Amino acid sequence: DAGVIQSPRHEVTEMGQEVTLRCKPISGHNSLFWYRQTMMRGLELLIYFNNNVPIDDSGMPEDRFSAKMPNASFSTLKIQPSEPRDSAVYFCASSPGDPTPLHFGNGTRLTVT
Amino acid sequence: AQTVTQSQPEMSVQEAETVTLSCTYDTSESDYYLFWYKQPPSRQMILVIRQEAYKQQNATENRFSVNFQKAAKSFSLKISDSQLGDAAMYFCAYSNENTDKLIFGTGTRLQVFP
Repeated sequence: DAGVIQSPRHEVTEMGQEVTLRCKPISGHNSLFWYRQTMMRGLELLIYFNNNVPIDDSGMPEDRFSAKMPNASFSTLKIQPSEPRDSAVYFCASSPGDPTPLHFGNGTRLTVT
Repeated sequence: AQTVTQSQPEMSVQEAETVTLSCTYDTSESDYYLFWYKQPPSRQMILVIRQEAYKQQNATENRFSVNFQKAAKSFSLKISDSQLGDAAMYFCAYSNENTDKLIFGTGTRLQVFP
């Protein structure tokens, strides 16, 4: 089991550019979560999917953020256009179903200059 | 809405000693789950321990144990025989019975001194 795989591990981009973060959940897991971690706000849930369907996107900060899960083995989180305040670590996590602990990826550290 | 509060931004402990990290939560649900996650400098999120609210017995995993007080909505983590490798951020988290969505506290940074 390779665990939850996120790419890239680090991303540095300029303000205004589009950023796409990628996640491959653990095979067989039907829930997928995107979290954002900052010093000021801690770990915030952005969106989560169940069986590839978005269930709760109330944490998505604004229209610049979008997430997709086209199939059970892949999800993306896109920020367009990016802003310096989007700088954070973005985690993807998956779960085989409630109520079980989440398995986290190693995160993507995003820096927007 | 459910909330999780960790009132200790930082804690420190001497190697081989015991330390307790505090966590309180607020919920109107009767069935739920509580977790402690460890985040070392590598930033990986590692599950330390899990407690089901319907279980009265406190969960234990080797040197890690919890003191779960349901009426007080308190869920503290005790680390016995602390080791240098225990140094990390520790996050308390909550999920209700019907979803595996986690709500996190703000974390406690634990330092371990030799």
